[in-house]
Amino acid sequence: DAGVTQSPTHLIKTRGQQVTLRCSPISGHKSVSWYQQVLGQGPQFIFQYYEKEERGRGNFPDRFSARQFPNYSSELNVNALLLGDSALYLCASSLQTGSTEAFFGQGTRLTVV
Amino acid sequence: RKEVEQDPGPFNVPEGATVAFNCTYSNSASQSFFWYRQDCRKEPKLLMSVYSSGNEDGRFTAQLNRASQYISLLIRDSKLSDSATYLCVVWGNQAGTALIFGKGTTLSVSS
Repeated sequence: DAGVTQSPTHLIKTRGQQVTLRCSPISGHKSVSWYQQVLGQGPQFIFQYYEKEERGRGNFPDRFSARQFPNYSSELNVNALLLGDSALYLCASSLQTGSTEAFFGQGTRLTVV
Repeated sequence: RKEVEQDPGPFNVPEGATVAFNCTYSNSASQSFFWYRQDCRKEPKLLMSVYSSGNEDGRFTAQLNRASQYISLLIRDSKLSDSATYLCVVWGNQAGTALIFGKGTTLSVSS
């Protein structure tokens, strides 16, 4: 069975540009969450989606948005990129919302120059 | 106070050593607890869930003390392949929808 897949794996963007990151959860998993991990820190929660609805949002500016599709895949969009947005963006898949185990994709490493 | 706090280390130990990591969390309403392992520039991978009764998986033992809001991970007979960053993770932020990660503790096992 395929695990969580994210695309692209690496990305370089210029300040002010927009970026879209994609995630496909494990088959049968209905919840997708997004996390940002900057160097030397643990992942920070950005969004959770379950059954195509936003169920939680972390302390990130409105430049960050996301959505979940009927097939449970998800996209994370970041507008007006800043140098500080450079990070590893991780997608986590879980069976349902709630305190279940989450499994991460390999991440998208975004560099903003 | 940070929501999840860990000693960042690094912990440098020889093969065969026993090493313990500690973690504290601030939200007494937190519901579930985990240890994740993260290799350099890779994604976090679930190592084990942590139960109130304590649980063991081979060389790894995890314990939870809800009264003290304290979580621990013990690694016995360390292997070179155990070298990684170990993340203490708590489920349940104020909205109850997210995993909250500590900064991680770095372990380096040498021969």
